[in-house]
Amino acid sequence: DAGVTQSPTHLIKTRGQQVTLRCSPKSGHDTVSWYQQALGQGPQFIFQYYEEEERQRGNFPDRFSGHQFPNYSSELNVNALLLGDSALYLCASSLAQITQYFGPGTRLTVL
Amino acid sequence: ELKVEQNPLFLSMQEGKNYTIYCNYSTTSDRLYWYRQDPGKSLESLFVLLSNGAVKQEGRLMASLDTKARLSTLHITAAVHDLSATYFCAVEWNRDDKIIFGKGTRLHILP
Repeated sequence: DAGVTQSPTHLIKTRGQQVTLRCSPKSGHDTVSWYQQALGQGPQFIFQYYEEEERQRGNFPDRFSGHQFPNYSSELNVNALLLGDSALYLCASSLAQITQYFGPGTRLTVL
Repeated sequence: ELKVEQNPLFLSMQEGKNYTIYCNYSTTSDRLYWYRQDPGKSLESLFVLLSNGAVKQEGRLMASLDTKARLSTLHITAAVHDLSATYFCAVEWNRDDKIIFGKGTRLHILP
């Protein structure tokens, strides 16, 4: 049983560019949450998707947007990248809000 | 606003010793989680605590929850080097809501 998968593993972008990160949830899970983890910090909640709708959102600007597909996979889009967007982006999946399982993350570097 | 505070943030200890990490949170919560993170890696779920007085143990780690005091502890017994990692507590505020992480406790166990 594959766990949560994310792609790409690493990504380098320049300021002002746009990026799309992808997440496939654990089999049987219907809820996907995205987190940003800056170096040396705890993960910060970005948003959560359930039934293809954004259900909850953290304190992130509108430059951060997402999508959930009918197969429950999800994308995180970040527009107009800033240096401060450099971080590890984690996707977590769950079923009916039971324990979240985290993916390996995507390391985004903005130059 | 839900706040989660961990202490200590850094801990260096000798193998064989016992120690406790504390997690305080600012408002009532449905669930409390403990995660482990190795450098450059994703989060591994250790414990989910659901009710007052809950205690869970896995190997040398034991977690407990006191909802009245809004306090959870992660106790390490007879530490071994393999337990060196960063440990996060995270609190879920109401069902179907976002999860707020503490800043993490970086644990370094000296051989």
